[in-house]
Amino acid sequence: KAGVTQTPRYLIKTRGQQVTLSCSPISGHRSVSWYQQTPGQGLQFLFEYFSETQRNKGNFPGRFSGRQFSNSRSEMNVSTLELGDSALYLCASSHGLAALPRETQYFGPGTRLLVL
Amino acid sequence: AQSVTQLDSQVPVFEEAPVELRCNYSSSVSVYLFWYVQYPNQGLQLLLKYLSGSTLVKGINGFEAEFNKSQTSFHLRKPSVHISDTAEYFCAVTPNRDDKIIFGKGTRLHILP
Repeated sequence: KAGVTQTPRYLIKTRGQQVTLSCSPISGHRSVSWYQQTPGQGLQFLFEYFSETQRNKGNFPGRFSGRQFSNSRSEMNVSTLELGDSALYLCASSHGLAALPRETQYFGPGTRLLVL
Repeated sequence: AQSVTQLDSQVPVFEEAPVELRCNYSSSVSVYLFWYVQYPNQGLQLLLKYLSGSTLVKGINGFEAEFNKSQTSFHLRKPSVHISDTAEYFCAVTPNRDDKIIFGKGTRLHILP
C-alpha cells in the first residue's frame, strides 16, 4: 500500500505570492491533517479535514486555508506569503479523526517551502 | 489549555548506552499520549502510544515509555541506543478524542560513536 505523498517536495516563492501544496492520503483514509514545522516553534497543527469537512483548526491566520476533495486528497493554500511562512509542511492521514484513540496518523515526507 | 514540554532540545549519548527523553504535559482531563520519531529528511513515524491500562508502553525499535499520571510525565527510554536511532523525537498529547493532537518542540538525539 502506498504511503502518504506530498507534492511538490521543495518550493521557493517570494513574499506576497501564494502557494498551493498537495497531499494524497493512504488509500482508504478519510482524514488529512496539516502541520507546520519550524526550528523555533516545532510542529504546529494547521487543520484537519475529514470527508471534505474541516473538523479542527489551529491558531493560524486566515491566509492559511485548505480543502479536501471527494477522493480524500487535500490541498493547502497560503496567500500573501511572508518570510515567516518558510517551513516544512507535513500532512498526515488516518482512517478516522486523528485524535480518536484507535487511530494512527501516517505522515508524508513534507513540502519544504522557502519564502524569499 | 493543554501543552507538552520536552525538557531537552538535544540529547547526546554514546552508542550502546541507555537513553531517556523527557516529556511532561499539562491537561485538566484524561489524555492520550504519543511518541513520534522523525529521521532526517522524512516525515514522522509513530513509535508508541498510551491510551489506557498498563502504564508501561512498548513500541517499535526497542523503545518504551512510562505514563506517570501524578507527575504528568511520559518519558521515553531505550536501554541501548544504536547509531540508527539518530533522529528527532516528538512527544504529543490529545486531551480528548474530538480535539487536535498537540506536539512538543522535539528532542534531537545524537548518538556518539
